[in-house]
Amino acid sequence: DVKVTQSSRYLVKRTGEKVFLECVQDMDHENMFWYRQDPGLGLRLIYFSYDVKMKEKGDIPEGYSVSREKKERFSLILESASTNQTSMYLCASSSIVGIAEAFFGQGTRLTVV
Amino acid sequence: LAKTTQPISMDSYEGQEVNITCSHNNIATNDYITWYQQFPSQGPRFIIQGYKTKVTNEVASLFIPADRKSSTLSLPRVSLSDTAVYYCLVGDQGGGNKLTFGTGTQLKVEL
Repeated sequence: DVKVTQSSRYLVKRTGEKVFLECVQDMDHENMFWYRQDPGLGLRLIYFSYDVKMKEKGDIPEGYSVSREKKERFSLILESASTNQTSMYLCASSSIVGIAEAFFGQGTRLTVV
Repeated sequence: LAKTTQPISMDSYEGQEVNITCSHNNIATNDYITWYQQFPSQGPRFIIQGYKTKVTNEVASLFIPADRKSSTLSLPRVSLSDTAVYYCLVGDQGGGNKLTFGTGTQLKVEL
């Protein structure tokens, strides 16, 4: 079974803090993704990585950065957290082989106060 | 990436067949059509994928007309547990597919 694990289920941070959200997958997938989900807005892609050290901006990259130093790990970084970054964050991974089915983590609900 | 349009919400009753249609007028030759399902407080999960005609699995059927400008996800005999958000995605397989989800269709199944 594919497993995508996010480091925290719930997180509360203060405005201005640097926040790290970690995601690990165990299926040797090439692609990894970070999304945020807000009511009425669906899933919006923040960043995408198709290989180690490779990244591409998604639809809403402002205020975020990412790091992929190892194939199995993809980190989302909020350089200076703000209250408008309070959201549910979802990590996903997929293979470039076959049907490219994406597997999601359980999500991290981040609250910035 | 091809843009998709699907209804914001749909209501149904247990035991009925539900058909959710997605429009993707500018689908490219290499693009596949993929549907995901998301329950509250969970990440989306893959339901079905197709390129043309009809695809069926144990969960749903996917109907794609010859021009491929739309597709219909068919859920046979829905139950309360099928209440979820359903997303239609269009894109090519493999590396570089950014998996853009959009807002999806909220399906509500009642008794």
